[in-house]
Amino acid sequence: GAVVSQHPSRVICKSGTSVKIECRSLDFQATTMFWYRQFPKKSLMLMATSNEGSKATYEQGVEKDKFLINHASLTLSTLTVTSAHPEDSSFYICSAITLAGLETQYFGPGTRLLVL
Amino acid sequence: GQQLNQSPQSMFIQEGEDVSMNCTSSSIFNTWLWYKQDPGEGPVLLIALYKAGELTSNGRLTAQFGITRKDSFLNISASIPSDVGIYFCAGHYGGSQGNLIFGKGTKLSVKP
Repeated sequence: GAVVSQHPSRVICKSGTSVKIECRSLDFQATTMFWYRQFPKKSLMLMATSNEGSKATYEQGVEKDKFLINHASLTLSTLTVTSAHPEDSSFYICSAITLAGLETQYFGPGTRLLVL
Repeated sequence: GQQLNQSPQSMFIQEGEDVSMNCTSSSIFNTWLWYKQDPGEGPVLLIALYKAGELTSNGRLTAQFGITRKDSFLNISASIPSDVGIYFCAGHYGGSQGNLIFGKGTKLSVKP
């Protein structure tokens, strides 16, 4: 199956610092990756759609300057939480779709961010 | 954002029992997907359904794409403790966007 990895799996940072989260498709090329945020006991909330070589498309209410997304290659997308604050603490999950199956998303294991 | 109606929200069952959960939507979907999420992990794809009326199995799991294309169900037969987790349905409208609409999840607890 299609495997997606995320790094780091867990990060703790001080308020005001920036944190970069990587999402990689390990055994397939992903022209499109998605970034989600999940609060405890809640469903996944789509933050943005990341397309290789172009600007990300952000969902309403998501600050593009706060959550910087870069999709520089067909196997890597990064999410940078800039000037993180405690309210940014959350579980961030990425997913990717293969060229053959646009409707089927394969998810990474998630990154737990804690901002102190 | 838009979400599907997924029910039940939670279930507490005895090991060996069968489980059924479903999702309904006011909109028509071209694809239905079922995912399972363990605590602290990302969702894992269980079953993907691509045609109305389609019935697909994956081991003890069976899912169906409703004829109206507005609903889907997931059944788990002979539940075991490792079935514990949160199950999400997701719908896809079709086209090239790839966006999924997620249900709120069904939390399954299995008592040995």
